[in-house]
Amino acid sequence: QVQLVESGGGVARPGRSLRLSCKGSGFPFSAFGLHWVRQAPGKGLEWVAVISDDGSNKYYADSVKGRFTISRDNSKHTLYLQMNSLRSEDTAVYYCAKDMGYGELDSWGQGTLVTVSS
Amino acid sequence: QSVLTQPPSVSAAPGQKVTISCSGSSSNIGNNYVSWYQHLPGTAPKLLIYENNRRPSGIPDRISGSKSGTSATLGITGLQTGDEADYYCATWDTSLTAVVFGGGTKLTVL
Repeated sequence: QVQLVESGGGVARPGRSLRLSCKGSGFPFSAFGLHWVRQAPGKGLEWVAVISDDGSNKYYADSVKGRFTISRDNSKHTLYLQMNSLRSEDTAVYYCAKDMGYGELDSWGQGTLVTVSS
Repeated sequence: QSVLTQPPSVSAAPGQKVTISCSGSSSNIGNNYVSWYQHLPGTAPKLLIYENNRRPSGIPDRISGSKSGTSATLGITGLQTGDEADYYCATWDTSLTAVVFGGGTKLTVL
């Protein structure tokens, strides 16, 4: 059974950094691309970033480009999101999700809440 | 403003049918697969439809998807109160090199 468990959320001040982790199990971790998707309070789902199975390709939403970095450690079955220069508008529940192969997300974690506030 | 356009809300009575539209462009829906997700507050989103019209195992056949040109549609028949949720379409956008989501549609089963 596929399982994705996020961690690392919390409260951060504007301009500071936070690193999220997502531990995967129940599937061949190194064979699939992985995404981060977020939902701000009262808003819809917003895609954040994707990383290919071997980590060689990464793409980002314009809203986080240059501030967030997606990475993965296949030996640890873990996906990361390094978030720098945080802004209040980054406040959201962050989900990691597994890619089926065409940008379709077939398994999701339960999410971790990030609050950016002074 | 989302790249993909969905109606903010739809409603129908139990047992009835509802459709949710998703409109895009040639850089996204027109040339890529569309997927649909159900999202209940406080839970993980669930994949309902992938590759425009395919259902993952465990998704009942009263849920369907279709695509024509730069638009896609999610259909749900035999509505149940448990279907009340937010529904999102999504696809890859070749120009943006990004996954794009619709703004979401809130389904109310009256």
